[in-house]
Amino acid sequence: SAVISQKPSRDICQRGTSLTIQCQVDSQVTMMFWYRQQPGQSLTLIATANQGSEATYESGFVIDKFPISRPNLTFSTLTVSNMSPEDSSIYLCSVVRADEQYFGPGTRLTVT
Amino acid sequence: QKEVEQNSGPLSVPEGAIASLNCTYSDRGSQSFFWYRQYSGKSPELIMSIYSNGDKEDGRFTAQLNKASQYVSLLIRDSQPSDSATYLCAVKSEGYQKVTFGTGTKLQVIP
Repeated sequence: SAVISQKPSRDICQRGTSLTIQCQVDSQVTMMFWYRQQPGQSLTLIATANQGSEATYESGFVIDKFPISRPNLTFSTLTVSNMSPEDSSIYLCSVVRADEQYFGPGTRLTVT
Repeated sequence: QKEVEQNSGPLSVPEGAIASLNCTYSDRGSQSFFWYRQYSGKSPELIMSIYSNGDKEDGRFTAQLNKASQYVSLLIRDSQPSDSATYLCAVKSEGYQKVTFGTGTKLQVIP
């Protein structure tokens, strides 16, 4: 398995501001994934983050809105920029270990 | 477009009964199959992985895979109210790092 922590666990933010979410894994992983889960919906992949290279974004998600950093093999950040109420969601960090995918506890973001 | 289909439910079963959750997938190249349990307000938790045709049992959970029919299921025996959650089916293709998730089936176990 994998032990994943995220900070903050929740936040309430004003529209137009930005929030950076941190993800820490207990040991090195090649790829880290960032997901969004809107209320009552399933998981939507935002991007895949590899250490030492630019993140790969899924259709509908752009780097200017969701910049990602991956400075080492155990850590990544996702920034939600210029937030609007539509960005209110749970943001989840995820890693793959031994072909199995594990999730962090999530960051619950509310934009007012 | 890889797709994973699940009935959204809710599926209601009485306590002690067998809950049967089903999932179909579109990509015949799929090689790895997963079931996640997600309690309300929590993140998904991996409960079963299955890679070959047939059954795989772990405690009260049994995953069943039929690649010819592109079908994977999860059986929960002796269902408990604590099993009430949304169950997500997930599928991964060989050589492909990303997992495709279904929309989930909400299970309600009635005491």
